[in-house]
Amino acid sequence: KNEVEQSPQNLTAQEGEFITINCSYSVGISALHWLQQHPGGGIVSLFMLSSGKKKHGRLIATINIQEKHSSLHITASHPRDSAVYICAVRWVETSGSRLTFGEGTQLTVNP
Amino acid sequence: DGGITQSPKYLFRKEGQNVTLSCEQNLNHDAMYWYRQDPGQGLRLIYYSQIVNDFQKGDIAEGYSVSREKKESFPLTVTSAQKNPTAFYLCASSKVGQGYNQPQHFGDGTRLSIL
Repeated sequence: KNEVEQSPQNLTAQEGEFITINCSYSVGISALHWLQQHPGGGIVSLFMLSSGKKKHGRLIATINIQEKHSSLHITASHPRDSAVYICAVRWVETSGSRLTFGEGTQLTVNP
Repeated sequence: DGGITQSPKYLFRKEGQNVTLSCEQNLNHDAMYWYRQDPGQGLRLIYYSQIVNDFQKGDIAEGYSVSREKKESFPLTVTSAQKNPTAFYLCASSKVGQGYNQPQHFGDGTRLSIL
């Protein structure tokens, strides 16, 4: 069964700390997405990547296709970064646009 | 501003009732999706549609039905056959193209509870 695993499940940090959330997947993918889910439930797409690295503000996403692994980094974390971060992939063998999701990482940043 | 609107935000259902969750988008996206989210689990795909008048079952379609009569709308009906309908339901949409690798845009969700 194709799987997406995230670690850690829960993460608590102090404001200003550098944060890393990891995502591993089992077989080849054509794209990997990082999403942010706010406490109210709404989800925002942060990044979509298939190779290398992308940066947006304090957020950086990297992917290593050979190792089947991606990381989401948050620099200079802030309490407003507190949310659930979700990794999702599109498998190479998938027809169409459907994604498989990890269980999410609950991040809490304390002031 | 373009976006996805889900309504209602909270929905209560009596056992044995069918209920319909609304999802409307004005992003001109061809593809639309319905997901279910349960505590401690990743989002699971219920149904998706990549073009008007066509849709496919996802991983957990039993007890659900959808229609796609208009590009903008993709309503989800939770039928009485769905034995455990209490969950958070999210609708999403995306463009279709570039090998299907497109970001998905999500609504704010509907929380369904059984009375």
